[in-house]
Amino acid sequence: GAGVSQSPSNKVTEKGKDVELRCDPISGHTALYWYRQRLGQGLEFLIYFQGNSAPDKSGLPSDRFSAERTGESVSTLTIQRTQQEDSAVYLCASSLLFGSGNQPQHFGDGTRLSIL
Amino acid sequence: GESVGLHLPTLSVQEGDNSIINCAYSNSASDYFIWYKQESGKGPQFIIDIRSNMDKRQGQRVTVLLNKTVKHLSLQIAATQPGDSAVYFCAENGGGGTSYGKLTFGQGTILTVHP
Repeated sequence: GAGVSQSPSNKVTEKGKDVELRCDPISGHTALYWYRQRLGQGLEFLIYFQGNSAPDKSGLPSDRFSAERTGESVSTLTIQRTQQEDSAVYLCASSLLFGSGNQPQHFGDGTRLSIL
Repeated sequence: GESVGLHLPTLSVQEGDNSIINCAYSNSASDYFIWYKQESGKGPQFIIDIRSNMDKRQGQRVTVLLNKTVKHLSLQIAATQPGDSAVYFCAENGGGGTSYGKLTFGQGTILTVHP
């Protein structure tokens, strides 16, 4: 597709379970980002990838959160032993290589995660 | 830590009016700013961006103004339409380094356009 694709669009799971969220960036975009958005709030940075490496993981809330990217394409965000406070929309974005400066990040529609 | 904030959480306008959404930022190292529009159930949609070497940039019906002296950013929407109703977010990049790709978002302004 032409845009950033995320799956699943909705995920409901029980507290304590692990979840895996997937992001397919725009073709040719080498930078990929994960954000979290709680209800009625702005976006909270989690992690970004430049190619397959992650220069900045500072936003990951705890060691239950991890992310990987392979082939400079698909990325997965994994949350282990989910807690109710993990309930949020998880958004993925991608952009062209920075070059001489930032490039616009283009977002998918997110995965709405609900922890029961 | 430093953050981006918005003066007005809600803005209501009549169709055809011009809208101005304001944003204050506190990180003087930021050199890239961007505005997004987010509709219910959707991801943020890129509207317009501006780098710190500019003070104004225009797009289709939108203008972004950057005042680095007072650390203020605004989004102007001309001839606002009902389809412009959404939450608008400003974001900044924090100036670079290993956090170059990280955007810090404001809390958002709800724009409601009445027909």
